[in-house]
Amino acid sequence: GQQLNQSPQSMFIQEGEDVSMNCTSSSIFNTWLWYKQDPGEGPVLLIALYKAGELTSNGRLTAQFGITRKDSFLNISASIPSDVGIYFCAGQRYKLIFGSGTRLLVRP
Amino acid sequence: DTEVTQTPKHLVMGMTNKKSLKCEQHMGHRAMYWYKQKAKKPPELMFVYSYEKLSINESVPSRFSPECPNSSLLNLHLHALQPEDSALYLCASSPEGTNTGELFFGEGSRLTVL
Repeated sequence: GQQLNQSPQSMFIQEGEDVSMNCTSSSIFNTWLWYKQDPGEGPVLLIALYKAGELTSNGRLTAQFGITRKDSFLNISASIPSDVGIYFCAGQRYKLIFGSGTRLLVRP
Repeated sequence: DTEVTQTPKHLVMGMTNKKSLKCEQHMGHRAMYWYKQKAKKPPELMFVYSYEKLSINESVPSRFSPECPNSSLLNLHLHALQPEDSALYLCASSPEGTNTGELFFGEGSRLTVL
């Protein structure tokens, strides 16, 4: 079946650092999306991408829909403590498939 | 109103119990979803309703029975569950049928089966 490989699995951030994560698949998707989930809550949509090559920003977040339609990345610039949480990529074709998630943690 | 409301937030049930999870949205969305999420895992699709009709059932065991009484409400009836069914059950809705991927999620109902 369709699978999304998301990396890294987890990463520590320090306030002010830039963060990158990506998602790849062997399947083509029509839409790529990025969600964030905080503890005890449901996922919240951050960015949706609809066309191959599309680059979209939402505040400090920037995401791109890969040219091959099989990958996407998310960048977070100048991270702040509230960026901590789990980030899921998701690909939509006949249904929405979630990646395994990237957990952002605060570096002690 | 941009919320998806799920009740109860927490539910503990025995394997012989019958219970229901409820979901409500008043955004005029025409597609509603049930997802199951185990700890440290991504959400897994269970059911999709589009225009109040069941459009996707991801081979979910019959001990889970969805119901969509109207376009604003979605229920998940639970009967004879197993301990491995313990999870966070997420309801979601989307505005344009089932093809956009843009979902609005509720906070979830955390289910524990003893």
